[in-house]
Amino acid sequence: SAVISQKPSRDICQRGTSLTIQCQVDSQVTMMFWYRQQPGQSLTLIATANQGSEATYESGFVIDKFPISRPNLTFSTLTVSNMSPEDSSIYLCSVGGHRGVRTEAFFGQGTRLTVV
Amino acid sequence: GQQLNQSPQSMFIQEGEDVSMNCTSSSIFNTWLWYKQDPGEGPVLLIALYKAGELTSNGRLTAQFGITRKDSFLNISASIPSDVGIYFCAGLYGGNEKLTFGTGTRLTIIP
Repeated sequence: SAVISQKPSRDICQRGTSLTIQCQVDSQVTMMFWYRQQPGQSLTLIATANQGSEATYESGFVIDKFPISRPNLTFSTLTVSNMSPEDSSIYLCSVGGHRGVRTEAFFGQGTRLTVV
Repeated sequence: GQQLNQSPQSMFIQEGEDVSMNCTSSSIFNTWLWYKQDPGEGPVLLIALYKAGELTSNGRLTAQFGITRKDSFLNISASIPSDVGIYFCAGLYGGNEKLTFGTGTRLTIIP
């Protein structure tokens, strides 16, 4: 499985500011994803980070609020823009992997964001 | 977004008991994955299932891919304190690796 490192692991931010979360993988991967986990909830996919092109966002998420970069096959960033307390969540980076026809998905340790 | 129905929502058991949880969906999946999440950590993959009817074990954990491809269950035998956490099922359809997650089962062991 891939080793996924996220930075920062946690942060407390003022409303109206922005935070950029980094995700670094120890090997080249085709697919990288960003998920949000609101307090006490399950994981919801924000977007697929595409290398060399714009990210593909899921319903309810927009680029202006969650801009994503994917400059190469091992790195991606997610920015949470103009934050409000409702953005307080855990943000998780995920990578997909194939072993033949078998698909797996692995996660970083997450970034716990608190907006005050 | 879509979520899978996972039950039970929470479980309170004594150490040594067996545990069973399941996920159901209105849609079919080609892959079922089971994860465990500890506080402050990301989900860790426990078991992956790729074929309808498949039964797979990982130590004390056993999971099955339902015949209809719309459900899956996870059993934990002889629970121990480190089993405490939140368990999530996740389904995949196709090769795009976009997961649909279950609502989670929180496992607590009563001393």
